[in-house]
Amino acid sequence: DTAVSQTPKYLVTQMGNDKSIKCEQNLGHDTMYWYKQDSKKFLKIMFSYNNKELIINETVPNRFSPKSPDKAHLNLHINSLELGDSAVYFCASSQDRGDSTFGSGTRLTVV
Amino acid sequence: QKEVEQDPGPLSVPEGAIVSLNCTYSNSAFQYFMWYRQYSRKGPELLMYTYSSGNKEDGRFTAQVDKSSKYISLFIRDSQPSDSATYLCAMSATGSARQLTFGSGTQLTVLP
Repeated sequence: DTAVSQTPKYLVTQMGNDKSIKCEQNLGHDTMYWYKQDSKKFLKIMFSYNNKELIINETVPNRFSPKSPDKAHLNLHINSLELGDSAVYFCASSQDRGDSTFGSGTRLTVV
Repeated sequence: QKEVEQDPGPLSVPEGAIVSLNCTYSNSAFQYFMWYRQYSRKGPELLMYTYSSGNKEDGRFTAQVDKSSKYISLFIRDSQPSDSATYLCAMSATGSARQLTFGSGTQLTVLP
């Protein structure tokens, strides 16, 4: 019944590893996003996809690669993880209104 | 200077108090204004949504937008301990990319 669901909720991994986070929305929204929330709770846009097309790619290292197989799914793959990548990553989706619905987040810890 | 500035807090008030949270912004293209509430270890949830200038009331919550001053506010009346959370203002512009630009958040604690 969850509107925006992301997995896993927690991810602990070593530096240098590659990991993926998955996101699915059942709201029928056209646009999906990845946001990063740092330790000070500041939320910043990373990527935006509209109908499977990348429309926003903020200044994010190339190690981060989003993929949208269809408009209900947006995954985030991270290569060669670094300590500074530790954060909470939120998936979100939106339709015609200017607001977004957020998932519950993936807490990534790189050790 | 950040596009959206939010009073940093933290804010601690007694139960029943009126709480005022504020944000200013610099981007004239913003048309949609929101307040999200985020409980610890949860995702942001939409609390109030306003398009352009004006006031909107929903129960104990009132959102105000003054586009001429580039200033938005959230008022919480009769605050409850369950209102203790981080409050994030957010804004977006029109167009296909409706990404949100957030303030830094204000952590609110309502003491019983």
